Amino acid sequence: GEDVEQSLFLSVREGDSSVINCTYTDSSSTYLYWYKQEPGAGLQLLTYIFSNMDMKQDQRLTVLLNKKDKHLSLRIADTQTGDSAIYFCAERSGGSYIPTFGRGTSLIVHP
Amino acid sequence: DTEVTQTPKHLVMGMTNKKSLKCEQHMGHRAMYWYKQKAKKPPELMFVYSYEKLSINESVPSRFSPECPNSSLLNLHLHALQPEDSALYLCASSQDMALQETQYFGPGTRLLVL
Repeated sequence: GEDVEQSLFLSVREGDSSVINCTYTDSSSTYLYWYKQEPGAGLQLLTYIFSNMDMKQDQRLTVLLNKKDKHLSLRIADTQTGDSAIYFCAERSGGSYIPTFGRGTSLIVHP
Repeated sequence: DTEVTQTPKHLVMGMTNKKSLKCEQHMGHRAMYWYKQKAKKPPELMFVYSYEKLSINESVPSRFSPECPNSSLLNLHLHALQPEDSALYLCASSQDMALQETQYFGPGTRLLVL
């Protein structure tokens, strides 16, 4: 199975909060990342969290990490149409130089 | 300057052509990467250069040939590609391969092989 799993789609109304979830299997994961990819563009690093943290907040973004359940979430407050994109979860374990990506969650924001 | 630039933005080539993709960064990063991304899939790592030396080759076919002429530039030379090689090719860089806290991606080159 996949090392990093995400649901493929999420649809929200403009102004609502979005929560994108991710689970991973590697218990030695050191860094966990969220990337955003808009159509036809490269990946933009949104935020990352180190494994000794439970939460990280940056403006409208809140990342929650549950190490026991190996669950990572990204909450976007006051979601706007410009937030429509694919969001990739990725993890890197201490022994690997390269992150493992999930398949991406397509976030659709409608009026 | 936190930008990674890639040229060209789009490329159409035949299976007998030879072409090159270029990537440039001026952030002083010493690790640079090539990824391949198919539609609606995550990026797949192809190559990693660290301090201008090839560190990782993820069993990529020899029709893809990377080159790192200096610490700011990364090329990907293409020869005798197949239609299934059509994809978005992403370049990325980071401060150091072992401290990969921030990996910056370029906008990609969209390649179509006919």
